[in-house]
Amino acid sequence: GAGVSQSPSNKVTEKGKDVELRCDPISGHTALYWYRQSLGQGLEFLIYFQGNSAPDKSGLPSDRFSAERTGGSVSTLTIQRTQQEDSAVYLCASSRDRGAYEQYFGPGTRLTVT
Amino acid sequence: AQSVAQPEDQVNVAEGNPLTVKCTYSVSGNPYLFWYVQYPNRGLQFLLKYITGDNLVKGSYGFEAEFNKSQTSFHLKKPSALVSDSALYFCAVRVSNQAGTALIFGKGTTLSVSS
Repeated sequence: GAGVSQSPSNKVTEKGKDVELRCDPISGHTALYWYRQSLGQGLEFLIYFQGNSAPDKSGLPSDRFSAERTGGSVSTLTIQRTQQEDSAVYLCASSRDRGAYEQYFGPGTRLTVT
Repeated sequence: AQSVAQPEDQVNVAEGNPLTVKCTYSVSGNPYLFWYVQYPNRGLQFLLKYITGDNLVKGSYGFEAEFNKSQTSFHLKKPSALVSDSALYFCAVRVSNQAGTALIFGKGTTLSVSS
């Protein structure tokens, strides 16, 4: 079956612009996660959605970052007024539910802020 | 605070030799531990997990890992390395909070298998 998909695969933007990154989870997966992978920083948790519950935003690095999940499926991560330190690969993952443990990752969006 | 440590940035091994990629963790309560692999320009792929039960867990591509509670370790092992195993390996621990089940990842270990 189809895996987690993300778009765009690459995004180059100018400092100060807003960007939107999209994630399509595996069909039927109720849990969705966003992570950020930076050189030398490993993988950093950003935000988690589970069904219709309020998202866990504890990993968002600043109020310039926000995410939503519409209809319990597709999610969009928005970064406002991008800064150069936002350059990273943004990874989305999904899992069947909060009781299931494996997370399945998408290929990521490589964001470059110039 | 919950954390995962991968003490080696890089591990080099010759093809056919056994390999070990080290991971230690710090977590309150029972740990749920995972290994993921990332091939160049690819997303992370799940390899194996420890939730409960046998301390030795087997996963994809012939990999296995041993949970050692007293040493708080979860080292990844393979009896005979292949050149195709060369990749970036991440250890992760699951934590539970009020809302969700985020994974905390180590910084990753690059495995290089030479022919």
